[in-house]
Amino acid sequence: AQTVTQSQPEMSVQEAETVTLSCTYDTSESDYYLFWYKQPPSRQMILVIRQEAYKQQNATENRFSVNFQKAAKSFSLKISDSQLGDAAMYFCAYRRGAGGTSYGKLTFGQGTILTVHP
Amino acid sequence: DAGVTQSPTHLIKTRGQQVTLRCSPKSGHDTVSWYQQALGQGPQFIFQYYEEEERQRGNFPDRFSGHQYPNYSSELNVNALLLGDSALYLCASSGKPGLAGVDNEQFFGPGTRLTVL
Repeated sequence: AQTVTQSQPEMSVQEAETVTLSCTYDTSESDYYLFWYKQPPSRQMILVIRQEAYKQQNATENRFSVNFQKAAKSFSLKISDSQLGDAAMYFCAYRRGAGGTSYGKLTFGQGTILTVHP
Repeated sequence: DAGVTQSPTHLIKTRGQQVTLRCSPKSGHDTVSWYQQALGQGPQFIFQYYEEEERQRGNFPDRFSGHQYPNYSSELNVNALLLGDSALYLCASSGKPGLAGVDNEQFFGPGTRLTVL
């Protein structure tokens, strides 16, 4: 079974600074996707960024980028120029690739609470 | 374009009762997944419905059941409620599962907060 581990229950950052959230995962699959989701106090889970395992290039979405280390099974999220609106719970998630019987199931980590200080 | 909607927003029940939560998928989506999120934890996969059938199931007891209607909307039913069932229940919709090359990103609804007293 796949597992996702976030070892940082809480992180904090000063506005405009950079912060990195860590995530490790365990899988025997070769075809999979990794995600970072943001869940603000409003509860709506919002996709921040996704990474396909077969792509060596790290994904980037504006101020958000990932460091995907496939051999180490590590998938960290870097938030640059942090803004007050980035404050939320962040979840790392795993999903196996197309064609498998468990396709579509997201496996989440425990989450990291990010606080942004003005 | 309406996103994923869920009802009700909040619900309070007592132990032993039964509850039904509802979800309407994002326009164009035909697959619905349900997750349980305990306070301060990551969501746990309950089950997924596609073509009105349960396609996958997580490690949840039979007290948790579901249904999908021809219009792709879905219900989550929980019988014999326990205190431990108190959680945020999230619904996520996506396109057809298992279709290679199709982006099956899951879009989440705002959730239903269930409190069991």
